[in-house]
Amino acid sequence: QQQVKQSPQSLIVQKGGIPIINCAYENTAFDYFPWYQQFPGKGPALLIAIRPDVSEKKEGRFTISFNKSAKQFSLHIMDSQPGDSATYFCAASIKAAGNKLTFGGGTRVLVKP
Amino acid sequence: DTGVSQNPRHKITKRGQNVTFRCDPISEHNRLYWYRQTLGQGPEFLTYFQNEAQLEKSRLLSDRFSAERPKGSFSTLEIQRTEQGDSAMYLCASSLFSGKAPYEQYFGPGTRLTVT
Repeated sequence: QQQVKQSPQSLIVQKGGIPIINCAYENTAFDYFPWYQQFPGKGPALLIAIRPDVSEKKEGRFTISFNKSAKQFSLHIMDSQPGDSATYFCAASIKAAGNKLTFGGGTRVLVKP
Repeated sequence: DTGVSQNPRHKITKRGQNVTFRCDPISEHNRLYWYRQTLGQGPEFLTYFQNEAQLEKSRLLSDRFSAERPKGSFSTLEIQRTEQGDSAMYLCASSLFSGKAPYEQYFGPGTRLTVT
């Protein structure tokens, strides 16, 4: 059972555009929602994370929006650059269950110059 | 480099052979996680340690898999009698668990296993 569903699978934007990646979860016990960026052949790198008591969080050009009632959260990449071309994963975890991460399926983002 | 390190970075082995991977976490981190990632998919949780204690193993971790963290520092993941279905990227992550946030997990570069 896939507990975190991520969409779209892939996304192409022009430089300066705003890719938006969406995730939906089922388990209301999740209490931590990070986003990771992964380049080919590399491990995932933590970008930004949010907890369910916050509706929005910004770090640099990355923004997470969180809708607890809809059980959805999304990542926006402002002023996207070709160097942002990567695969992005949302994830969720439960502190009381060891914080083990449940990942979405990933979104491959291509930012064209 | 003070990040998570993994060795080897690549491993090619023949079906039926045993392989062992090593993970060195960020030095002050007391939690260490192993994940497996197949091509085009998100990582899947395998097991985790707090200090030297293995606290949970996923159902994905068959009897052929064993993990240790003998002194609460580095960890090893061994796969016995490898099968072609074991081909994947094996990722290690570490975090500092102190009973309160933050919960950030930092990943290593992974070990790419190919079973021929």
